[in-house]
Amino acid sequence: QKEVEQNSGPLSVPEGAIASLNCTYSDRGSQSFFWYRQYSGKSPELIMSIYSNGDKEDGRFTAQLNKASQYVSLLIRDSQPSDSATYLCAVNQAGTALIFGKGTTLSVSS
Amino acid sequence: ETGVTQTPRHLVMGMTNKKSLKCEQHLGHNAMYWYKQSAKKPLELMFVYNFKEQTENNSVPSRFSPECPNSSHLFLHLHTLQPEDSALYLCASSQELDREQYFGPGTRLTVT
Repeated sequence: QKEVEQNSGPLSVPEGAIASLNCTYSDRGSQSFFWYRQYSGKSPELIMSIYSNGDKEDGRFTAQLNKASQYVSLLIRDSQPSDSATYLCAVNQAGTALIFGKGTTLSVSS
Repeated sequence: ETGVTQTPRHLVMGMTNKKSLKCEQHLGHNAMYWYKQSAKKPLELMFVYNFKEQTENNSVPSRFSPECPNSSHLFLHLHTLQPEDSALYLCASSQELDREQYFGPGTRLTVT
C-alpha cells in the first residue's frame, strides 16, 4: 500500500516566523510532488510542484525534495495569519491518481 | 477559479430523495475524480475516470453512482443516503492520471 505521511499538527508559529511542513512517501518510483493549501470549508488549491531533488522557490514558499530519503517539505517564510490552513502533500504514482497525505494544520498567530 | 465548476454548491436532501451532483471542467483534461471530505477529516478518493472510463472505485457504497458521459462532465447520482454521508463532495480533474489535480469548489451536502 503506497502511503504519504504528514504530521497532522497543529503546527503553531508566530507571525513572521518560518513554518516548516514535512511529508514522507513510500513509493521510490514517485516522480512528481505537490503541495496544496486548503482553507477551512474550501477546496484544496495547488500552491507548489517539484520534480527534481533540491529546492524550488516561489515567493515566500520553498519546496524541498530529497528522493534518496523520500521526503518533501514546504517552507513558508514570513508566515502570515492568512497562511493558517491545512497543507496537503500529494505524490504521484505512474499511471494512477495522486496519493494525498492527511494534511498538516498550520496556525499562524499575530 | 480553477476551471472546474460544481453544481449545486449546497444541497440538503432527505434520506429517501434522489439527487445528482454535477461537475464540469473547462481545462481539456482527460481524468476526473470524486472525493468526499467529512468535517475536519482527510480527503477520501471515491471514483476515478480516465478518458470516460472508470479506473478506480474505492469501496464506495452503491447508493453513490458515478457517471462520466464525456471527458468534460462528471456526475454523482445519490439515492437513499444516510446522515453520515453529509460532507463536502469535491470534484477534481487532471491532464493525465498521475498529474496535478485541480479542484472545483465542492458541493456541501447535508442529509437529514
